[in-house]
Amino acid sequence: AQSVSQHNHHVILSEAASLELGCNYSYGGTVNLFWYVQYPGQHLQLLLKYFSGDPLVKGIKGFEAEFIKSKFSFNLRKPSVQWSDTAEYFCAVTPTQAAGNKLTFGGGTRVLVKP
Amino acid sequence: EPEVTQTPSHQVTQMGQEVILRCVPISNHLYFYWYRQILGQKVEFLVSFYNNEISEKSEIFDDQFSVERPDGSNFTLKIRSTKLEDSAMYFCASRLVGGGNTEAFFGQGTRLTVV
Repeated sequence: AQSVSQHNHHVILSEAASLELGCNYSYGGTVNLFWYVQYPGQHLQLLLKYFSGDPLVKGIKGFEAEFIKSKFSFNLRKPSVQWSDTAEYFCAVTPTQAAGNKLTFGGGTRVLVKP
Repeated sequence: EPEVTQTPSHQVTQMGQEVILRCVPISNHLYFYWYRQILGQKVEFLVSFYNNEISEKSEIFDDQFSVERPDGSNFTLKIRSTKLEDSAMYFCASRLVGGGNTEAFFGQGTRLTVV
C-alpha cells in the first residue's frame, strides 16, 4: 500500500517570501502525483499534477512541483507567496496501473501568509 | 465548468440516527469516491464505486456504511447508526475514467456533526 508524508504541519511566512513544501511517498511501482489546496471553508482544488514526462510541472497560481523519482519526492514550490495563498496544502498519490484508483493523501501542511 | 455538488453542506444528527449524504458527480464521469476528513487530520479514503458496485473500500468503511447510485445521477453515502467519531467533513469525488491518468474532482464537502 502506498503512503505519503508531508514534512511540515504548519508554515508561517510573510508575503513575497518563497515557499517550499515537502512531500515524500512510499510505493513500489509507478505513481501519479498531485497537489491539492484547500482554502478556508472551501473544497479541495487541484493545484497541479504529474503523470509522466517533464518532472517539473507547473500548476495554477504560480505553483510548481518537481518529481524526483530517486528520492520519492514531489515538493511544491512558489517563488513569492501572497496573502491569498493562505490555505492547507495536500500532497496525494495514486498508483498508475490500478484502475479506479483511490488517492492517498499526506497529512497536509497549513500555510499562513502574513500580510 | 462542470463540478461535483454535495448536499447538505452541514448536517447535525444525533448519535444512533441514520444519515444520507448526497452527491451529484460530474455527468460523464464513471468512477465515484467518498473521502472523509476528521477535523485536524488527513483526508482518508472511504470507498470507490464503479459500474454500480464498490470497487474498493477502506477499513473505515464497515457495515455501518453503504453507498448507492439510485438514479444515474446521484451518488449517496449512508451511515446507518451514526457514532460520535463519524463527525467529519465528507468529500465526494468523481473521475472520468479509471487508471491514474486522470484527476479526481472534489465536491465542497458535507460537514457532519454527530451529537
